[in-house]
Amino acid sequence: QVQLQQWGAGLLKPSETLSLNCAVSGGSLSGHYGSWIRQTPGKGLEWIGDVNHSGGTNYNPSLKSRVTISTDRSKSQFSLKLSSVTAADTAVYYCARGLLGYFYMDVWGKGTTVIVSS
Amino acid sequence: QSVLTQPPSASGAPGQRITISCSGSYSNIGSNSVNWYQQVPGTAPKLLIYSTYHRPSGVPARFSGSKSGASASLAIGGLQSEDEADYYCAAWDDSQNGHYVFGTGTTVTVL
Repeated sequence: QVQLQQWGAGLLKPSETLSLNCAVSGGSLSGHYGSWIRQTPGKGLEWIGDVNHSGGTNYNPSLKSRVTISTDRSKSQFSLKLSSVTAADTAVYYCARGLLGYFYMDVWGKGTTVIVSS
Repeated sequence: QSVLTQPPSASGAPGQRITISCSGSYSNIGSNSVNWYQQVPGTAPKLLIYSTYHRPSGVPARFSGSKSGASASLAIGGLQSEDEADYYCAAWDDSQNGHYVFGTGTTVTVL
């Protein structure tokens, strides 16, 4: 059974760079893409972007200038970097995996809470 | 900000059927398939319906999806207490070089 394990720093100061990682166990990213989604407190879901197994990316236009998503195929991992964070970036961040060519995510990580505070 | 609009809440008695609407535009629902996710508070979202109509293995048949034009619907028949959760529609949006969009979310309460 494919599972996603995510980790990264949970407390940041304004202007720092958020960095999260997601490892695929019981499978790989081959033929799939890895996505990052966030959920602000009490609010809905926001797609951040995705990366396919070849390194091709798509980003949310509203975050594109600050986001970098990359993959390490040898480790079946993908990563998120979000620069110049502010309090508005405080959220639960999820990684998820989807099948290439299909616009849905069928495996999700458990989420990482990231708080931005001075 | 979400570009797919859902009602904030929906409710029904056990055994009843409810539907949740999801309103979008030509660039998203009108041109691409729709997915639905179920989220129990404090847990990660779970894929409920994919490619507009299809249920992943393990999802009960009382959950069904449909689409007409730029709108989609999720129906829950035979409502059960464990169906209390937040539900989100989602679709790929072809505008702005393409990006994924989620709905505003609907909280379902079983009375």
